[in-house]
Amino acid sequence: ETGVTQTPRHLVMGMTNKKSLKCEQHLGHNAMYWYKQSAKKPLELMFVYSLEERVENNSVPSRFSPECPNSSHLFLHLHTLQPEDSALYLCASSQGGNRANEQFFGPGTRLTVL
Amino acid sequence: GDSVTQMEGPVTLSEEAFLTINCTYTATGYPSLFWYVQYPGEGLQLLLKATKADDKGSNKGFEATYRKETTSFHLEKGSVQVSDSAVYFCALGNQFYFGTGTSLTVIP
Repeated sequence: ETGVTQTPRHLVMGMTNKKSLKCEQHLGHNAMYWYKQSAKKPLELMFVYSLEERVENNSVPSRFSPECPNSSHLFLHLHTLQPEDSALYLCASSQGGNRANEQFFGPGTRLTVL
Repeated sequence: GDSVTQMEGPVTLSEEAFLTINCTYTATGYPSLFWYVQYPGEGLQLLLKATKADDKGSNKGFEATYRKETTSFHLEKGSVQVSDSAVYFCALGNQFYFGTGTSLTVIP
């Protein structure tokens, strides 16, 4: 595997379910990110991890819970979601948390909340 | 606060037509500016970037110039191809602000 991978690629869940999204980067980077992509809205930065420490949390509801066990893996734990949480969730990585550095994105997980 | 504004799409062009996608920004300081492209079913990938005023980023025939005086970073290509069909995002480097994306479809 190369680059940034995300699993699953598609997920359908009910509002009472608990699920997790997984991201893995094979680039040797030390910063990882979660974004939410909704139609006709700007890409929303959700969380930033640098050196496995969460350094940014952009007022994301607590029903989204990130986890970064090491510099190569990032999870997004989901519970009691709402239909408006349906979106494409993108993971990205970069070398360092320097905001001028290029980010490398995974293909995303298409989430549908019923 | 910092923000990025992109022209709304979708944009549909014939092959070999000239492309411009407008992007303007509001920012404190002088952040790096980026254009990312998202092909169907894929994540975003960097297309080009500029790190300071008057810099021109270029890649795959696309160009954009960092204009401090007009706070703009418009994307241009002289002759588009069908393979350029994708969604294009303008982004600020200082706070990871992205625009809404502009969908481009090129028809043969």
